[in-house]
Amino acid sequence: GQQLNQSPQSMFIQEGEDVSMNCTSSSIFNTWLWYKQDPGEGPVLLIALYKAGELTSNGRLTAQFGITRKDSFLNISASIPSDVGIYFCAVPQGGSEKLVFGKGTKLTVNP
Amino acid sequence: GAVVSQHPSRVICKSGTSVKIECRSLDFQATTMFWYRQFPKQSLMLMATSNEGSKATYEQGVEKDKFLINHASLTLSTLTVTSAHPEDSSFYICSALDNGGTQPQHFGDGTRLSIL
Repeated sequence: GQQLNQSPQSMFIQEGEDVSMNCTSSSIFNTWLWYKQDPGEGPVLLIALYKAGELTSNGRLTAQFGITRKDSFLNISASIPSDVGIYFCAVPQGGSEKLVFGKGTKLTVNP
Repeated sequence: GAVVSQHPSRVICKSGTSVKIECRSLDFQATTMFWYRQFPKQSLMLMATSNEGSKATYEQGVEKDKFLINHASLTLSTLTVTSAHPEDSSFYICSALDNGGTQPQHFGDGTRLSIL
């Protein structure tokens, strides 16, 4: 099946620093989604990308849909303690609405 | 925005018990819902697609007789883990499609199932 390569696996940063994470694949996708999951809760949608080259912001978060349609990145600027959690990229699988998830990036922010 | 409610949030029960988990779309109708399982420190793995008014479709390796799915209305899907055993202990999460059945999926808060 289709696989997403998400990196880094984990990040330890100081409050106020910027963060960048990305997902790549060998397949082309028409939609890229970014979710955040807090411990013991379900994923919450952060940003949805529907067009190659699209750059979308949501507060301190910015995500881009790669022009090749095989990758996407998520940036968080001026991190704060509540940014702690696991960030997942996800794409619809093979012409269906089923999602395939990356393995996640665990973010730790030190005050 | 689209809200998905999942109940219960946590279940602890004895081996051999059947457990039912509910997933409701609160402010929209969802013809399609999804059930995922997530083991500790791992990503979400799709178990099955729940289709209103028809049989669920299961991913490879997921036992349909073990994980019964019913999607009887446009706002409710249920997952029943039958004769649960300790290896079924996991975090189960549902999601639903709004927006006319296109992305993004909106997720419930998950159910922590612990089988003793």
